[in-house]
Amino acid sequence: QSALTQPASVSGSPGQSITISCTGTSSDIGGYNYVSWYQQHPGKAPKLMIYDVTNRPSGVSDRFSGSKSGNTASLTISGLQAEDEADYYCSSYRGSSTLVFGGGTKLTVL
Amino acid sequence: QVQLQESGPGLVKPSETLSLTCTVSGGSISSFYWSWIRQPPGKGLEWIGYIYNSGGTNYNPSLKSRAIISVDTSKNQLSLKVSSVTAADTAVYYCARAPHGYNYIFDYWGQGSLVTVSS
Repeated sequence: QSALTQPASVSGSPGQSITISCTGTSSDIGGYNYVSWYQQHPGKAPKLMIYDVTNRPSGVSDRFSGSKSGNTASLTISGLQAEDEADYYCSSYRGSSTLVFGGGTKLTVL
Repeated sequence: QVQLQESGPGLVKPSETLSLTCTVSGGSISSFYWSWIRQPPGKGLEWIGYIYNSGGTNYNPSLKSRAIISVDTSKNQLSLKVSSVTAADTAVYYCARAPHGYNYIFDYWGQGSLVTVSS
């Protein structure tokens, strides 16, 4: 079961905006509005940041936003802060009640 | 506040069965989807499978039927067994809960349990 494709790394300066892409197929991202994004700091469990493409759980900063176009989903972080430095993973429903994750993107705040 | 805690052997020999338990506190295990997710050292996340209400299960086809997830509602625990393990099964294993109405997003996670497969 192939993972979704994410860039290995992205970087940005404090205050800037960055976007992380997540590319799948018509069998996952393109076929369902069930894309989620997780933030993971070193040695910690992942934290849900976005679900159903655009929704933020309670308590997640509105600096985080999600979108989707075709088979590619994106996570945008605006007003970058040092605490945003972490690994980010996308995930998507893939039919037959299965789930697939992306390979992860390391965000560096310069 | 719901809390999840994984436990189990940190070292398993090749070809043997990996067994982990996740104890849920601060809430009932009933009426939610519970998943196991793993992360090899330095690598990405992989969904293993889920269980719902002590019955319905679904697994990642990539594990080729080696994984079994079960629930003990009397103890508020879920379990994972992975048979015929190899070094490729070395990973941090997380249990996670999906919120009501979902089975594919996770709002509560355990802290993770590292399992190393080695002789």
